[in-house]
Amino acid sequence: RKEVEQDPGPFNVPEGATVAFNCTYSNSASQSFFWYRQDCRKEPKLLMSVYSSGNEDGRFTAQLNRASQYISLLIRDSKLSDSATYLCVVNIGGSSNTGKLIFGQGTTLQVKP
Amino acid sequence: EAGVVQSPRYKIIEKKQPVAFWCNPISGHNTLYWYLQNLGQGPELLIRYENEEAVDDSQLPKDRFSAERLKGVDSTLKIQPAELGDSAVYLCASSLGGLAENTGELFFGEGSRLTVL
Repeated sequence: RKEVEQDPGPFNVPEGATVAFNCTYSNSASQSFFWYRQDCRKEPKLLMSVYSSGNEDGRFTAQLNRASQYISLLIRDSKLSDSATYLCVVNIGGSSNTGKLIFGQGTTLQVKP
Repeated sequence: EAGVVQSPRYKIIEKKQPVAFWCNPISGHNTLYWYLQNLGQGPELLIRYENEEAVDDSQLPKDRFSAERLKGVDSTLKIQPAELGDSAVYLCASSLGGLAENTGELFFGEGSRLTVL
């Protein structure tokens, strides 16, 4: 079983739609969780952290469910510019000095006009 | 401020040839990572440096891959000899003080795309 699993998609949605991605992780000791965005043929960039209480940044909402070991990313009012691959990232080590960031394979979103 | 700089951006070689990639991290970032990204997959860690020390190289195929960060700043990743399966994007990333695992602030370069024929 992979340490971090995502549905690769692609998710094809119309502009204005709400779309949600899930990601599951296998290590119950994982402490830190993030979503990265990667545009086609570009480098990954941090989109947002995922906090236990959930967090929101504009149209983006990230949530963590420790009991079920999954995190989610919700995008409201999708824009054409949201088209990208969204990478789920988990620190499986638990602390800053000994942890390791593991990337999921990514979920591809295509927003259509 | 300059980001993480990598070169070359693209490299095409024949199998069994050697290849080297260079990375210059963001100024002041003492932690440097090399990742490999295959098409349709997420980045996979090859090696992590804290200053000049390789603190995690468990995923580096040491029979053909080597890396160095002699002065704790820029780094090179070498493959010798290259195999067909090495075709991928090699990403370098840096972070401040190893905090990326808590903050998620890992800054990537644009990557070096390798094609092995």
